[in-house]
Amino acid sequence: QVQLVESGGGVVQPGRSLRLSCAASGFTFSSYGMHWVRQAPGKGLEWMAVTSVDGTKKYYADSVEGRFTISRDNSRSTLYLQMNSLRPEDTAVYYCTKADDNYNPDFWGQGTLLTVSS
Amino acid sequence: DIVMTQSPLSLPVILGQPASISCRSSQRLVHSDGNTYLNWFQQRPGQSPRRLIYKVSNRDSGVPDRFSGSGSGTDFTLKISRVEAEDVGIYYCMQATHWPGTFGQGTRVEIK
Repeated sequence: QVQLVESGGGVVQPGRSLRLSCAASGFTFSSYGMHWVRQAPGKGLEWMAVTSVDGTKKYYADSVEGRFTISRDNSRSTLYLQMNSLRPEDTAVYYCTKADDNYNPDFWGQGTLLTVSS
Repeated sequence: DIVMTQSPLSLPVILGQPASISCRSSQRLVHSDGNTYLNWFQQRPGQSPRRLIYKVSNRDSGVPDRFSGSGSGTDFTLKISRVEAEDVGIYYCMQATHWPGTFGQGTRVEIK
């Protein structure tokens, strides 16, 4: 069955960088787009970024464009989110999601918590 | 960016009674390929979101048939025909027709 396991969260100081990972299994990773979605504590879902199957097409939310980079390594079945210039408002649980054939999010991982605080 | 507006934001329901959630988009969600990429997600307390509905009205595998989606253009609805205790949680609509994707604010369903 589909499994998505996020990792890399933790506590980081404002202005620092961090990379999240999402290890995928149970499906042919290289055949599906992938998303990152976040959820601040007690808040709703916020879509962050999507990448195409080969990583050549990427789209971002305005709130992270230029600071965050989505990427993937199909040989490792792993999705990444490089986050730079982190701000306290980036504090959230970060979910990776598999996309369906039309690039809509379908299956979600369990999430990893990032706290940006001094 | 497209703004998704859900109502109500809180929905107390009686077990066994129907429930309805509205989602309106600031622009039409018809893609150039003719499809409308409007999804509904359920997030139970303490869990990751789970997709219920895709392309307006298609139920995902394993989703009970008491859940149904409808709508077109800018107005969409998620209906639960008879609410069960396990339906408690927050429901989100999300459009993936126009990037960046956007979610509604969420509707909290609770048992009255």
